[in-house]
Amino acid sequence: KQEVTQIPAALSVPEGENLVLNCSFTDSAIYNLQWFRQDPGKGLTSLLLIQSSQREQTSGRLNASLDKSSGRSTLYIAASQPGDSATYLCAVGDMRFGAGTRLTVKP
Amino acid sequence: ETGVTQTPRHLVMGMTNKKSLKCEQHLGHNAMYWYKQSAKKPLELMFVYNFKEQTENNSVPSRFSPECPNSSHLFLHLHTLQPEDSALYLCASRGPNSGNTIYFGEGSWLTVV
Repeated sequence: KQEVTQIPAALSVPEGENLVLNCSFTDSAIYNLQWFRQDPGKGLTSLLLIQSSQREQTSGRLNASLDKSSGRSTLYIAASQPGDSATYLCAVGDMRFGAGTRLTVKP
Repeated sequence: ETGVTQTPRHLVMGMTNKKSLKCEQHLGHNAMYWYKQSAKKPLELMFVYNFKEQTENNSVPSRFSPECPNSSHLFLHLHTLQPEDSALYLCASRGPNSGNTIYFGEGSWLTVV
C-alpha cells in the first residue's frame, strides 16, 4: 500500500526566504504527483501536477520536482510571502495524500 | 471557485439522524471521490467512482453510503453516525479534459452530536 510522508510537519520562515517542502512515497509506480494548498477550513487548491514522465513543473514562484526512482518530490517556493501561509499537501497516483506541511510566513 | 460544489457547507446531526451530503461538478469529469479530513490526520480516501461505477471503497463503515447517479453528481448518505465521524468531508473530481488535475470542493463540515 502506498505510504506518503511529508517533512517537515510545520515550518515557520520570515518573509522573503526561499524554502523547500518535501514529499516521499513508498511505491514508485505512480502516474503522477500533485501538490495542493489548503487554507484553514477550506478545500484544496491544486498548485502543480507532474506527470510520471516529467521531472519538474513550474508556476510563478513555485517549482515542483519529481524523482520517481528515489520516491521523492520537492516543492520549492521562492521569495515567500505572508499570503503563502497555508498547509501544503502532496498526493500521488491514485490520490493518496501526505499529512501536509503547515507553512507560516511571518511579515 | 473550482467548479466542484458541495452542499451543505455545515451540518449538525444527531446520532440517530439520516442526512446526505451532495457534490456536483459540471467539468465533464468522469472520476469523483469522497475524502474525510479529521483534525491532525492525513486526508483519508473513502470512495472512488469512475464513470458512475464504484471502483474503490477503503474499508469505510456501512453507516456511510455513497451514491453516484450520474457522472456529475455524487452523494454521501449518512445514518447512525458516531461523534468520531465529525470531520470535514471533501469531494473531488478529475478528468482527462483537465489534464487529470484533481479539483476539490470547499467541503462539508459535519458535526455529530
